[in-house]
Amino acid sequence: QKEVEQDPGPLSVPEGAIVSLNCTYSNSAFQYFMWYRQYSRKGPELLMYTYSSGNKEDGRFTAQVDKSSKYISLFIRDSQPSDSATYLCAMSLRIQGAQKLVFGQGTRLTINP
Amino acid sequence: SAVISQKPSRDICQRGTSLTIQCQVDSQVTMMFWYRQQPGQSLTLIATANQGSEATYESGFVIDKFPISRPNLTFSTLTVSNMSPEDSSIYLCSVAGGNTIYFGEGSWLTVV
Repeated sequence: QKEVEQDPGPLSVPEGAIVSLNCTYSNSAFQYFMWYRQYSRKGPELLMYTYSSGNKEDGRFTAQVDKSSKYISLFIRDSQPSDSATYLCAMSLRIQGAQKLVFGQGTRLTINP
Repeated sequence: SAVISQKPSRDICQRGTSLTIQCQVDSQVTMMFWYRQQPGQSLTLIATANQGSEATYESGFVIDKFPISRPNLTFSTLTVSNMSPEDSSIYLCSVAGGNTIYFGEGSWLTVV
């Protein structure tokens, strides 16, 4: 079983729709949870970062963490064609002072005008 | 967050040759990381580079194939040696910031 599972998609939705992207994880020691956005042939860009259960909102984006279920989500409201990208979830914990980061497979999202 | 610059941004390389990727950060950082992202795949950590010490390689990656230099707190290089088509990937430099990491734009290598 992979430490982090993410549906690779692809996911295609019409412009203006609400998008839900999800990851599950197996290691309860993960402390920090991140979402990265990656445009084609570019480096990942940090989108959201959180460390506690609950919701964190930033504009049209909401990150949700449920530690009891080992489940995180990213919601995109009023989706735009410019949101078309691959979204990677990532989780981290500190091991002997060093940060260990584990990524999901990434979900490829297309927003159709 | 730090500004991370990588060179080259992309290159087409001949089989059997080696290529060195440079990573420059706009601030001093203790730890720099090199990742590989093969087509359609997620990110895999190659090694962690600390200034003044040997890089620490992850399972499946060896120094002979991916030698790394870290001469100071703002710069690192990754060399991909004796390249084969299987080395065609995006290679990403990253730095730690708080409890997360930030990435450069990546270097897209195609081996023919």
